[in-house]
Parts: sequence; structure tokens; C-alpha cells
Amino acid sequence: GAVVSQHPSWVICKSGTSVKIECRSLDFQATTMFWYRQFPKQSLMLMATSNEGSKATYEQGVEKDKFLINHASLTLSTLTVTSAHPEDSSFYICSATKGTGGIDTEAFFGQGTRLTVV
Amino acid sequence: AQSVTQPDIHITVSEGASLELRCNYSYGATPYLFWYVQSPGQGLQLLLKYFSGDTLVQGIKGFEAEFKRSQSSFNLRKPSVHWSDAAEYFCAVGARNQGGKLIFGQGTELSVKP
Repeated sequence: GAVVSQHPSWVICKSGTSVKIECRSLDFQATTMFWYRQFPKQSLMLMATSNEGSKATYEQGVEKDKFLINHASLTLSTLTVTSAHPEDSSFYICSATKGTGGIDTEAFFGQGTRLTVV
Repeated sequence: AQSVTQPDIHITVSEGASLELRCNYSYGATPYLFWYVQSPGQGLQLLLKYFSGDTLVQGIKGFEAEFKRSQSSFNLRKPSVHWSDAAEYFCAVGARNQGGKLIFGQGTELSVKP
């Protein structure tokens, strides 16, 4: 199978501080990773597409300066929530794509990170 | 624009009963279609996917789904539900040229009563 690991699983931070969340593909190389945000009892909303070695592509309405994404290698993407505020509290989930983009393509999800800003 | 609709926010079924979760999509061409399951506080696990070919797709844990192009639907079914199936279920659509980028439905919470 394919394993995607997210770290940390949960984090509590003070308002105004920054938090970094890591997403790693453990047994495959992922040229593309995706970051989603999920509010309680709601669906996953795509925040951005992260491509190795290039700038992330953000979805409309997502502040790129608040949610910094870095995809430094084929197995690691990071999401940094800068100057976090209580409204940034949410469940953040990453996925990493394995395959060539065709019928063999599948996205594997991390276990998610629960961020609470106090 | 691509969209996915899961009309049922919450469904309760008795253990051993059959299950059908509805999913309708809006997409300009034939999409990739997926069903995921999420336990509380966890990530997503893929149940099954449809890319092409046979419109009846078999997945893990005894689930199956049928792609009906004429109805723009991809409903998930299971003949006999187990208590461990209680979870949140998400239908998702992906574009054929944007491998891995998914649009999710609102989710259906499944409760199983003894």
C-alpha cells in the first residue's frame, strides 16, 4: 500500500503564533500533494495544490500569506499557519498522489491534524 | 463547475439491514468518482473508485457502488451493515487531467443501531 503520515496529529497554539504541519509520503514519491481543511461536521474543502519544486496553487478565497505551503522534496510538504487566530482552528488533512494522472492515480490521505488556537 | 451532492446528512440503519448512500455529481465530462470513509478524528480511507469500464464497482469491506451516467449518480451500497460501519462517508469527484485533486460532497453520517 501507500502510507501518508501527518504530523502532528493535534496541536494547541496561542493566538498570534505560527504552526507548521508536515505531510510525508512514507513509501512512495508524490509530485503532487493537496491540503484540505475540514470544519466540524462538514466536508473537506481544498485549500491548495502543492507541487514539488514550485509554488503552491491556492484555491479561491484561501489566503496564501496566512497558509504557507512548501513542497521541498518528493516526500514532504508542509503547511504553516502564520499568525494563527481562533478562526483558524480546524482539522487539516493532506493527501499525496500516487500514479501518473490516469487510471492508476489515487490520492492517499494523512490522518489529519487538529489545530486549536487559543 | 464541478460539484458533488450527498442529499442525506445523516442516516440510521439497523445492523444487518441493507444500506444505500446517495451521491450525485455535476461535471462536464466523465469524471473519476470515489467513495471514502472517515472515522471520528481520522483521515480518509478509500472504499472504492470508478474510472471507466464496468459501472458496478466493488470495494473493500463489502461495499459496492454503481455509476449511472444518465442520472449523474454514484450511489454506495452494502447488503448487510455491521456496527463497525458507523462513520462519515464522503463521495468525491476528480478530473481526469488533475490526478488526485478531489471535490468532496458534504458527507453522510451513518449510525448503526443494534
